[in-house]
Amino acid sequence: AQKITQTQPGMFVQEKEAVTLDCTYDTSDPSYGLFWYKQPSSGEMIFLIYQGSYDQQNATEGRYSLNFQKARKSANLVISASQLGDSAMYFCAMREASYGGSQGNLIFGKGTKLSVKP
Amino acid sequence: DTGVSQDPRHKITKRGQNVTFRCDPISEHNRLYWYRQTLGQGPEFLTYFQNEAQLEKSRLLSDRFSAERPKGSFSTLEIQRTEQGDSAMYLCASSPRGGRTNNEQFFGPGTRLTVL
Repeated sequence: AQKITQTQPGMFVQEKEAVTLDCTYDTSDPSYGLFWYKQPSSGEMIFLIYQGSYDQQNATEGRYSLNFQKARKSANLVISASQLGDSAMYFCAMREASYGGSQGNLIFGKGTKLSVKP
Repeated sequence: DTGVSQDPRHKITKRGQNVTFRCDPISEHNRLYWYRQTLGQGPEFLTYFQNEAQLEKSRLLSDRFSAERPKGSFSTLEIQRTEQGDSAMYLCASSPRGGRTNNEQFFGPGTRLTVL
């Protein structure tokens, strides 16, 4: 069963405007973490923001904020004041709670390609 | 540079050959992960080490794949008898024990494998 769904294969945004990238997830585990990563054309995955399932407030990191709606199982990424350098693939990922002493791996969505227009 | 490093960055091989990739994690990180990313997809988990112990292996990790982390520092991923379907980006990530997010993973630049 697909755990992370990103329904937008590609998005365009005008420079300096805000954009929302959608992510929905599926888990029966009450304890989980949600991540967003950016992958430029160079290939390296860059951590952007994290939201824990028990966090009371939405996470924010500079121009990035995470719109966490637990009941709807959504964790949308909002990028404010888009810059040309924001053009990249964006991946939503989930970590479920670890069991048996091991640390849960990340489960990624298929990604959204964001293009920022000048 | 104190980030995760991977070597080589690119590898082209013929079907049936063996290949080995190396990952050097951030020095104080005890957790190390391997992922595979094919075109148009997100990374998929392959295996996980805590120190030198391999604690998790995905069903994607067929018996042609083997990974080691002999001294709890660098790790190697070997693919024997490569197939064209093995062509992908192989990503390594590391994370510290605990940490702010409890599992923020720092990724390396990846090794892009092309099997002809």
